[in-house]
Amino acid sequence: NAGVTQTPKFQVLKTGQSMTLQCAQDMNHEYMSWYRQDPGMGLRLIHYSVGAGITDQGEVPNGYNVSRSTTEDFPLRLLSAAPSQTSVYFCASMKTAPIGTEAFFGQGTRLTVV
Amino acid sequence: TQLLEQSPQFLSIQEGENLTVYCNSSSVFSSLQWYRQEPGEGPVLLVTVVTGGEVKKLKRLTFQFGDARKDSSLHITAAQPGDTGLYLCAGIFGNEKLTFGTGTRLTIIP
Repeated sequence: NAGVTQTPKFQVLKTGQSMTLQCAQDMNHEYMSWYRQDPGMGLRLIHYSVGAGITDQGEVPNGYNVSRSTTEDFPLRLLSAAPSQTSVYFCASMKTAPIGTEAFFGQGTRLTVV
Repeated sequence: TQLLEQSPQFLSIQEGENLTVYCNSSSVFSSLQWYRQEPGEGPVLLVTVVTGGEVKKLKRLTFQFGDARKDSSLHITAAQPGDTGLYLCAGIFGNEKLTFGTGTRLTIIP
């Protein structure tokens, strides 16, 4: 039972490089999100999607792009990496229910931009 | 702007003691959740509360939702080393964005 799979787990980029963080879920959830986690900041929402073909910005979207061509996949693209984007990135697949939305997280991608 | 403030930011106590951590906001939540995160892992859901005044228990953990649905607390009785971790509250504000708090890093000393 895979749940949410993120790749890669670790990545080092040079300033100005671009890359894509992959996220796949097998729970058939419509709602998916990307967060970044920095020390002392909790989790901050970058982008989210409530279904294939629909994306929207979160709290800290600048420097990131997303697309949602399928229910399963929600990749996050860094257009031109900057040291300020050094962080741990988490993808979440969200189960919506009358009692609230439950987030299932991947194991994270630790990104360092030098 | 951080919509959800948690306190304390850090807490270190002896095994067997009791503790309470808090999650506060000036906004009303439609629902609120508590997650626990261990090093190298993503957060894992502990509980969801949706009704003002609601109290839920999960073994030695007691979660309370404020009457006005703007705040919540997590109380741990007789803390154990296995309770060590980062505790995060998260809430839905109006739309479907799930917003996380700043977190409380808890260390239980054997």
